[in-house]
Amino acid sequence: GENVEQHPSTLSVQEGDSAVIKCTYSDSASNYFPWYKQELGKRPQLIIDIRSNVGEKKDQRIAVTLNKTAKHFSLHITETQPEDSAVYFCAASLTGNQFYFGTGTSLTVIP
Amino acid sequence: ETGVTQSPTHLIKTRGQQVTLRCSSQSGHNTVSWYQQALGQGPQFIFQYYREEENGRGNFPPRFSGLQFPNYSSELNVNALELDDSALYLCASSFKRGPLDYEQYFGPGTRLTVT
Repeated sequence: GENVEQHPSTLSVQEGDSAVIKCTYSDSASNYFPWYKQELGKRPQLIIDIRSNVGEKKDQRIAVTLNKTAKHFSLHITETQPEDSAVYFCAASLTGNQFYFGTGTSLTVIP
Repeated sequence: ETGVTQSPTHLIKTRGQQVTLRCSSQSGHNTVSWYQQALGQGPQFIFQYYREEENGRGNFPPRFSGLQFPNYSSELNVNALELDDSALYLCASSFKRGPLDYEQYFGPGTRLTVT
């Protein structure tokens, strides 16, 4: 089955700096890669996703890149704010039937 | 608010007992997936139901079973509870509009504690 690895496990940045979280996946057939933000005690929330037919996607301060050859994808958050502090999970899926999640990155934005 | 609801919010059971967790999908969604999230870990895929049929299963034993109803709501049943089953159980619903179009939205979860 699919195996998703996520790094780093913890990340601290100064407010206004950028944060980058990286994930690798093992199954080259995976074609959908969402990112979720989970605040303490709350449900994971979809923040951005990318499909295998594109290499990059942006939504305001958030961007995701996908390198299918290397089987890795990354989340980029620019101009970080304290409310960006949360645990971020990447996931990989083949046709949406099964989703495999990374182990999470705890992001802390220091004011 | 995504519209996916789960019940109950919290549950305490004794080892060996059975438990049923419930999920109501977001309106218009025909697919429900269940996940187990241990403390400090990412969600682990249990299984998915699409139009009342199991459509994929993760590495969980048969004592984890499920159902999806005609209104697309779903149940997760766990028999012979073990201490390691203590976790947050999340359901997520989605609507597959095409081969690359299936955003998934999570419910708030059920916190299960097995003692």
